[in-house]
Formats: sequence, C-alpha cells, structure tokens
Amino acid sequence: GAVVSQHPSWVICKSGTSVKIECRSLDFQATTMFWYRQFPKQSLMLMATSNEGSKATYEQGVEKDKFLINHASLTLSTLTVTSAHPEDSSFYICSARYGAASTDTQYFGPGTRLTVL
Amino acid sequence: DAKTTQPPSMDCAEGRAANLPCNHSTISGNEYVYWYRQIHSQGPQYIIHGLKNNETNEMASLIITEDRKSSTLILPHATLRDTAVYYCIVSNNNNDMRFGAGTRLTVKP
Repeated sequence: GAVVSQHPSWVICKSGTSVKIECRSLDFQATTMFWYRQFPKQSLMLMATSNEGSKATYEQGVEKDKFLINHASLTLSTLTVTSAHPEDSSFYICSARYGAASTDTQYFGPGTRLTVL
Repeated sequence: DAKTTQPPSMDCAEGRAANLPCNHSTISGNEYVYWYRQIHSQGPQYIIHGLKNNETNEMASLIITEDRKSSTLILPHATLRDTAVYYCIVSNNNNDMRFGAGTRLTVKP
C-alpha cells in the first residue's frame, strides 16, 4: 500500500529557533501533499496544500511566512516552522495524494510532535 | 462549517460488529464519503470510501443510503485494536479533507 513517512517523529526546540519537518511518499509519487496541525484533544486542521514545483496554498489564518513549505520533488515536502514559539507546539501531520483521479485517496504520515520550550 | 455529523462517542463489545453512523445531508452529487481513523498519537489511517454504492474491503464495509444523506461504517468483528477516533469526511476531489470531531469508538472486552 501507499506509505508516507515523516521525520523527525518528535522534536524539542528552544523558542526562537526554526524546525524543519520532512514528509516523504515512500512507494509512490505525490504531486500534491498536505500539512495538518492537531492540538491536544482536537481534530486535525488543514494548514496548507503543497503542489510539486509551485507555491503552497495556505488556509485562512495560517501565516505563510512562519510555516514555510517546500515541495521540490514528487516524493518530498518539507514544513519549516520559523522562529518557533511555545504556542506552535503541536502534532504536525502530512498526507500525500495517491493517484490523480478524483477517487484517489490521501495517505497520512505518522506525525511529528513539536515541543517548543 | 461541518459537512458531516457524527456521534461523539460509542462503545462496542469485542467480537461484535461496530456500526458507526454519519450524517451528511448537504452532500453534493460529486462528493465522495471517506472514512479514516486515528489511533492515539498516530496519523490518520485510511479505511474506505465510496460515492453511492456500498463498498467493502478487508477492513470494513461502507453502507451509503440511497439518498446519500447518511452512511454507516461497519467493522464486522471489532477488536481492542479498533479503539480509535473515526472520522467521516465528504470531499469532491480528495484535495479538501476537512476533519470534524469524529466518533471515539471504544471496544471493550
């Protein structure tokens, strides 16, 4: 089946530093990847849609200059949280769209837990 | 705006069928019904999806009413490992997956 990985699985950083999270589709090419954020006891919130070779599309209320997304290849998208602060602590999850037809499915990575001290 | 409505929680006895309902009364003709589940501290796992016909795979069955305003996910023989939050999502092109609150299913021994 379609497998999506994320690295790292967890990260702790100091306030003011930047953190990069990688999302890879391991056995398929993904022209579109998605980034979600999940706070404790809440549901997933879509942050942005990442298309290979073009700029990401951010959801309303998500700061594009704070959450930098790069989708440079068909198997890799990265999310960089710049100048992280404690309120950015969250569970970040990526997904990749498998296939090109409207009936195809998103497969999710295992998530990255970010803790900003 | 939530496109789907699910009960916040359900219990099921181990070995019995778990029937998880979802209302999507405003679904449009080109929207599919997707089901995912999330086990604690993991990424969501795809279960099944369908348009209007009932679907079955190795994990579950999806029953969609004729008017498509509601659906039911059936786990035929629930195990303790099926304890998770189950999300019902409607989407027309798989690019717009909006997660609601889901149903927290607890399978009890």
